[in-house]
Formats: sequence, structure tokens, C-alpha cells
Amino acid sequence: EVQLVESGGGLVQPGRSLRLSCVASGFIFDDYAMHWVRQAPGKGLEWVSGISWNSRYIGYADSVKGRFTISRDNAKNSLYLQMNSLRPEDTALYYCAKGDYHGSGSHADVWGQGTMVTVSS
Amino acid sequence: DIVMTQTPLSSPVTLGQPASISCRSSQSLVHSDGNTYLSWLHQRPGQPPRLLIYKISNRFSGVPERFSGSGAGTDFTLRISRVEAEDVGIYYCMQATQFPFTFGPGTKVDIK
Repeated sequence: EVQLVESGGGLVQPGRSLRLSCVASGFIFDDYAMHWVRQAPGKGLEWVSGISWNSRYIGYADSVKGRFTISRDNAKNSLYLQMNSLRPEDTALYYCAKGDYHGSGSHADVWGQGTMVTVSS
Repeated sequence: DIVMTQTPLSSPVTLGQPASISCRSSQSLVHSDGNTYLSWLHQRPGQPPRLLIYKISNRFSGVPERFSGSGAGTDFTLRISRVEAEDVGIYYCMQATQFPFTFGPGTKVDIK
């Protein structure tokens, strides 16, 4: 069974950092693009960042560019999101999602349950 | 950035009747590789989204045949042939042709 499990969320003060992790199982992680998508309470989906299967292509939403960094460790079947200079508007449920085979993320076909990030003093 | 819009934003539907949602992009979603990376997702309250359709019209594994997608360029449509109770929730279109990828605002579907 394909599964994605996020962790690393929590309550953090504005300006501080947090690192999210997503552990994948049930598929060959190395071969797939991956996404981070977030959803603020009561709001819609916002794509945050994506990374191609070979890490050659990386993209960020304008709202996080320069503050967030996506990475992957294929040996650990893991996807990461390093979040720096956090702002209250970054408060959201952060989902990890699986993209396409040998692509840069043409769709998001399997999603984790998400990890909640709350930025507040 | 490519802006995605959806209409309607809210859609009360009758069980057993058809429903459709439109999605429009601010520029063509045709990728340089010839594909159009427009997908549709469904989210029920308290649950993560679920992929329904990818590359305009391809149903994802396990998605009922009553769901279909169509369109080209900048205009796309999701159709439900006969709405069932489990179809309530919010439907999002998403473009993955150009970074940054973007979602539509969502269309809330509920039963009349």
C-alpha cells in the first residue's frame, strides 16, 4: 500500500524555523516527483513546493520562495521542507503528496494525512 | 504565475442528477512536451484531497466512471454523470504545467 506520513509540525514563534519530514512507503520513492501542499484553517489548497524525481527541477510558491527549501533523501525514502523566517500566514496543515513517475510533478495522486504548523507568539 | 478560476464556487445538486464544474486558467496549460497537466481533486471535510482526474481526462485508479474530465488550452470541465451522496465536498482543479503549480479556489458541492 502506498503511504505517506508527515511529521515535524508544531507551534513555533514568528521568525523561527521548522523542518517537516515525509516518509514514503509502498512505492519506489526514487522514481517519483513529490509535492508539499498546505491548507490554512477553513481555506483552500495552496501548492507550496515540488521536486522532480531526480531533484533536477524544483519549484516554490511565491509566498515561500527564499524562505522554504524542499529536499529529498532517496536512501531514506524521505521528503523534507525546511521552513525559515516563519510568519503567522504560514499557519496551515501541510500535506506531502506523490507526483508522477520520472516527472516533475504532473499531478498529486497520493496524499498523506498532513502535519499542522502553527506560527504564533 | 498561472491563475486558476472555477465556476461555480458553490453548487447545490440533486442526487442522481448530473453536475459540472468549470475551471479556467489565465494562460494555456499545454506543456512544451505536448501534455496538458490539468488535474481534478476532491476533498471531503477532515480528509486529505483525493485525485480524480489527471491530464485533463484520465481517471485515476479506483475513481468511479461517473466522473469525467474534458477541455483543452485554458478551459476545462469536470462532470459527474449522476451525483451520489459520497460526492459532496470541495472540488479543486490544479495546474502542473508551469512552476509554481497552482490550484483553483475550489467548488463546494452539496446536496439540495
